[in-house]
Amino acid sequence: QSALTQPASVSGSPGQSITISCTGTSSDVGGYNYVSWYQQHPGKAPKLMIYDVSNRPSGVSDRFSGSKSGNTASLTISGLQAEDEADYYCCSYTSSTTWMFGGGTKLTVL
Amino acid sequence: EVQLVETGGGLIQPGGSLRLSCAASGFSVSNNYMNWVRQAPGRGLEWVSVFYSGSSTSYADSVKGRFTISRDNSKNTLYLQMNSLRAEDTAIYYCARGARYGSGEDWFDPWGQGTLVTVSS
Repeated sequence: QSALTQPASVSGSPGQSITISCTGTSSDVGGYNYVSWYQQHPGKAPKLMIYDVSNRPSGVSDRFSGSKSGNTASLTISGLQAEDEADYYCCSYTSSTTWMFGGGTKLTVL
Repeated sequence: EVQLVETGGGLIQPGGSLRLSCAASGFSVSNNYMNWVRQAPGRGLEWVSVFYSGSSTSYADSVKGRFTISRDNSKNTLYLQMNSLRAEDTAIYYCARGARYGSGEDWFDPWGQGTLVTVSS
């Protein structure tokens, strides 16, 4: 059980768009439409941002969107804002009835 | 309001045992997948265990055979019994509600505030 692969860091200026990738295998990301994304600010609990690849919970800004192609899922944040600066984690259900997180991506808003 | 509150963390020697509790309010733990997720200091999230569908359980390989997840519907509480603790089990342990059974959805929401477990001599 190794982690899904995410870039360690991404950055963007206010107003720009960024995309974070999350690569797995056909046994997890590629095999199910059960990819979710979490935002975590320092010292805080994670917060659900996207579920089932592309669904947004109520209360989450529509600047956040998700997609998937093959074994790679992506989180896109448009119109970057200072408060978006945080760590982001992807998560996928797997064929073993377990779940796997990505290693996390630190987003810096320049 | 849906809320999860974890308790039971602390400092424990290697080889020792600890039981974490997660008290839920605003929903019934018997209706949802219920998970434990941990985060070692300065590291990423690691899924640990799930209790679901009556009495089914699943564990990460890293804790299988040492940790046991359980649930008390009358107290609306989830537990994690941790035995044979190792230094690498040091982490903040979060309780996270999963989707309702049969919903066809998959998510962790909300998360509790977490409880810190430190395994050290």
